Amino acid sequence: AQSVAQPEDQVNVAEGNPLTVKCTYSVSGNPYLFWYVQYPNRGLQFLLKYITGDNLVKGSYGFEAEFNKSQTSFHLKKPSALVSDSALYFCAVRDEGNNDMRFGAGTRLTVKP
Amino acid sequence: GAVVSQHPSRVICKSGTSVKIECRSLDFQATTMFWYRQFPKQSLMLMATSNEGSKATYEQGVEKDKFLINHASLTLSTLTVTSAHPEDSSFYICSASRTKNTEAFFGQGTRLTVV
Repeated sequence: AQSVAQPEDQVNVAEGNPLTVKCTYSVSGNPYLFWYVQYPNRGLQFLLKYITGDNLVKGSYGFEAEFNKSQTSFHLKKPSALVSDSALYFCAVRDEGNNDMRFGAGTRLTVKP
Repeated sequence: GAVVSQHPSRVICKSGTSVKIECRSLDFQATTMFWYRQFPKQSLMLMATSNEGSKATYEQGVEKDKFLINHASLTLSTLTVTSAHPEDSSFYICSASRTKNTEAFFGQGTRLTVV
């Protein structure tokens, strides 16, 4: 079965600085990759996805992610962090051969003013 | 668009009783729905994947007879926790996906407390 790893439990950045939240994956076939954000007492919100095509995908709230097949990574990035970006971020993967969707452990992003 | 409604948001039940949680895709048809369990400060643990009109695929270690999943239509899936016990207390989350390779949209979750 496919799996996802988010190596960092916590990422701290200063407001205005660029941020990166890391994600690596393991699948047997072609991956479908997703990023979600979870705010306190809210459901998961979809940010962006990679299915095929350009390796750099852009999503909601100024976030983007780069698919790197050789490194099996799909890191989430934003050029300039906002305090309001502070939340829990999850990377997820679907395998074209399976129908399920699996999540990484999550990374708590804290942006300090 | 792409709204998923999960009901109830909170439920308290007595040990030994059953609880049903509903997951509805309000503005799209979902060929696949997922059920997760989330423990405090932890990730989402996939319990089962259900496809409309067919039996759910359960993850290893998840009891099929305890967690009954029904996906009778393209807009509704239900999870029934049968003979609930305190250790079943958790946050249950559903999500729905239009097709096999698209994103899933999530419900708000259900906080189940078994007393």
